[in-house]
Amino acid sequence: QVQVQESGPGLVKPSETLSLTCTVSGDSISRYYWSWIRQAPGKRLEWIGYLFFTGTTNFDPSFKRRVTMSADTSKNQISLNVTSVNDADTAVYYCAGTYSYGRPGSAFESWGQGILVTVSS
Amino acid sequence: EIVLTQSPATLSLSPGDAATLSCRASQSVGTHLAWYQQRPGQAPRLLIYDSSNRATGIPVRFRGSGSGTDFTLTISSLEPEDFAVYHCQQRSSWPPRYSFGPGTKLEIK
Repeated sequence: QVQVQESGPGLVKPSETLSLTCTVSGDSISRYYWSWIRQAPGKRLEWIGYLFFTGTTNFDPSFKRRVTMSADTSKNQISLNVTSVNDADTAVYYCAGTYSYGRPGSAFESWGQGILVTVSS
Repeated sequence: EIVLTQSPATLSLSPGDAATLSCRASQSVGTHLAWYQQRPGQAPRLLIYDSSNRATGIPVRFRGSGSGTDFTLTISSLEPEDFAVYHCQQRSSWPPRYSFGPGTKLEIK
């Protein structure tokens, strides 16, 4: 069974870059499309974008200018960077995988437990 | 952008009752609709994918149905552990984009 774990700083200053890592165990990251999804307090879940291990990415238009994702297959990890953060970026960030059937699946089968990131000076 | 709405926002029922949760899409998503359960302090857990397929390990009391713009999650006989928030989620065809509904909170009456 795939296990997913997010890690990174829980506090980021406004205008700085939020950087998170997702470590996957139990299966190769190459079998899945990996998404970052966040949930701000009192808000619905929000999909940020996905990465395939080949480097293929697809971002929600509202994040496209500020987000990068990358994969380290040797460590079985996926990374997220969000630049120029502000208060609205305060949220629980989840790493979630959807199995690759040659294209992204329609649902997220595997989730990390999430990490709370607070943007504050 | 496909927007999902869910109703009701809150549903108050008792253990043993049947629950019916609705999700509506602003345009057709075919059957690319999933349902998740989220308990407090936990990550969402996939229940149903592609409208009506139960994910691995999900009890048969959870049933999904619908296509196009209208979808339903039915829980046939509520267990105490079923009281949680339920989210629907869609994937558009191309480019693949995902979005979630605002959630339905299922609470004990």
